[in-house]
Amino acid sequence: DQQVKQNSPSLSVQEGRISILNCDYTNSMFDYFLWYKKYPAEGPTFLISISSIKDKNEDGRFTVFLNKSAKHLSLHIVPSQPGDSAVYFCAASQFYGGSQGNLIFGKGTKLSVKP
Amino acid sequence: ETGVTQTPRHLVMGMTNKKSLKCEQHLGHNAMYWYKQSAKKPLELMFVYSLEERVENNSVPSRFSPECPNSSHLFLHLHTLQPEDSALYLCASSQVVGGDTQYFGPGTRLTVL
Repeated sequence: DQQVKQNSPSLSVQEGRISILNCDYTNSMFDYFLWYKKYPAEGPTFLISISSIKDKNEDGRFTVFLNKSAKHLSLHIVPSQPGDSAVYFCAASQFYGGSQGNLIFGKGTKLSVKP
Repeated sequence: ETGVTQTPRHLVMGMTNKKSLKCEQHLGHNAMYWYKQSAKKPLELMFVYSLEERVENNSVPSRFSPECPNSSHLFLHLHTLQPEDSALYLCASSQVVGGDTQYFGPGTRLTVL
């Protein structure tokens, strides 16, 4: 059973508009959440994270929102740029879980930003 | 020097070959990981090392054999692989083992004929 779900395999957005990528999780023990970005033939690149003590974290054009009651997080990219086109992975963990707290990844959402 | 490097970037091997994947991290981290990424599947954690000791082995077949000689280097030794083992193999490291942010290498694209 998947503990981290990204239900949209793909998303297409016009350049300059907002991209919203969604992620749901089932394990209430998760307290640390991350977004990674992956280009073809490259490894995932860490983008932004959020601890469960917060409901929002912002870094430039990227903002992650966490709704603990709904077990839902989202990544907002605004404005979207063609260089943002990539696969975005959501991940969750128990930060102090030691070897039991490893990152659990979703299947990814492929974002296409059209000029 | 980039954070996490992997060699080779591409590897084609026959089912009877023996090969090794290498990973090196220059971040001073204490934990290192091997992942497998197959098409349309989530990243699958294979092995976890903390301070050169294996702390987790996620039911990985014995034809995959990890080695961590020091906290900066991680190897994955491959022998008698199957075609279904063809995938992208990713190495990652983190400051502490477990839920901390992990930083990934570029991966090795493995094809087993």
